[in-house]
Amino acid sequence: DVKVTQSSRYLVKRTGEKVFLECVQDMDHENMFWYRQDPGLGLRLIYFSYDVKMKEKGDIPEGYSVSREKKERFSLILESASTNQTSMYLCASSSGQWGSSYNSPLHFGNGTRLTVT
Amino acid sequence: DQQVKQNSPSLSVQEGRISILNCDYTNSMFDYFLWYKKYPAEGPTFLISISSIKDKNEDGRFTVFLNKSAKHLSLHIVPSQPGDSAVYFCAASASTGFQKLVFGTGTRLLVSP
Repeated sequence: DVKVTQSSRYLVKRTGEKVFLECVQDMDHENMFWYRQDPGLGLRLIYFSYDVKMKEKGDIPEGYSVSREKKERFSLILESASTNQTSMYLCASSSGQWGSSYNSPLHFGNGTRLTVT
Repeated sequence: DQQVKQNSPSLSVQEGRISILNCDYTNSMFDYFLWYKKYPAEGPTFLISISSIKDKNEDGRFTVFLNKSAKHLSLHIVPSQPGDSAVYFCAASASTGFQKLVFGTGTRLLVSP
């Protein structure tokens, strides 16, 4: 079974802090993704990566950056946290080519609930 | 611009009855569709998928129907069980190009005993 592990279940940070969310997958998947989930908005893609050191912007990349130095690890960085970044953050991985999800369902971690005060 | 829409935020069903969750999409390039289930405090888990070459895919109690002309898909759960109570997300993708999954806003299903 694919296991996607997010390092923290709950985080509370102050406005302006730099925040790191870590994600590790153990299935040698090429693709990794960061989503945020907000009520009434569903899951929105922030960034994804289809290879080490490669990254692509998703639908809502503003205020975020990512790092993928190793295949199994994908980090989401909030450069200067703001209250509108309070959300549930979900990491996912898949084996599809070039980030495609065709016939390659995403496997999600359990999420990190981030509160920015 | 919501390309994948789940117009019912919630649905209540009695145990043993059929649950029908609906999803509409606008992008005609989408040709692969998935349903995910999400329990509170857990990540979404993949439930079932269908490609556009089919109009039905079945897996146990779960069946997904695709109506390409109407750009509509639905998930049927028969019979519904209390353990099915969760939020269900519809998602769509295209096989051409560098396409990522687009998710709907979710439908919360409550199955009462």
